[in-house]
Amino acid sequence: AQSVAQPEDQVNVAEGNPLTVKCTYSVSGNPYLFWYVQYPNRGLQFLLKYITGDNLVKGSYGFEAEFNKSQTSFHLKKPSALVSDSALYFCAVRDMGGGSYIPTFGRGTSLIVHP
Amino acid sequence: EAQVTQNPRYLITVTGKKLTVTCSQNMNHEYMSWYRQDPGLGLRQIYYSMNVEVTDKGDVPEGYKVSRKEKRNFPLILESPSPNQTSLYFCASSQYRDNQPQHFGDGTRLSIL
Repeated sequence: AQSVAQPEDQVNVAEGNPLTVKCTYSVSGNPYLFWYVQYPNRGLQFLLKYITGDNLVKGSYGFEAEFNKSQTSFHLKKPSALVSDSALYFCAVRDMGGGSYIPTFGRGTSLIVHP
Repeated sequence: EAQVTQNPRYLITVTGKKLTVTCSQNMNHEYMSWYRQDPGLGLRQIYYSMNVEVTDKGDVPEGYKVSRKEKRNFPLILESPSPNQTSLYFCASSQYRDNQPQHFGDGTRLSIL
């Protein structure tokens, strides 16, 4: 079975400060991990993914995420937040060893960047 | 431009009146799926399709039907809509490899009165 948790419903950060949006997962095998962003009145847009290799993954719009196998986490980060980063962020997981092609999405974290 | 197109974007209708939400993708993707998004519940998968004529239930299939007669189209059918199906719906597609990200449409907001 696979599952993903986003422990924070909302994250508030001041513009220019670093931001972190948390994601933890549970899989029986190895994970494929994804981050998506949703702006108002739009569908989800792919940001970045971890498949294998380097634990630090770089993605779109200056975002990056760090895969930590021992902590089963895949937190999304950005060194300097912009007001335009304010959006809803979703983490998703697929279990390589679970036989399921269906991804599981977290409940989403609303990121609010204050000017 | 690569895209997933859903129609309509907004619909208000009444209980019991059959409706169809269309979804079309122009990327030749094998895999397509439907999700509903509700506050506090995130995204939940309704149905998915691995390829033409191959569909399967997701986590919340009750009250919905789908078909995949052509690779590019994956309509969502509500035969007898009820108020608990009021939600924001998304169609998505991807290549048939489980390490590929999904491409999402812009959503359809359905209100069932």
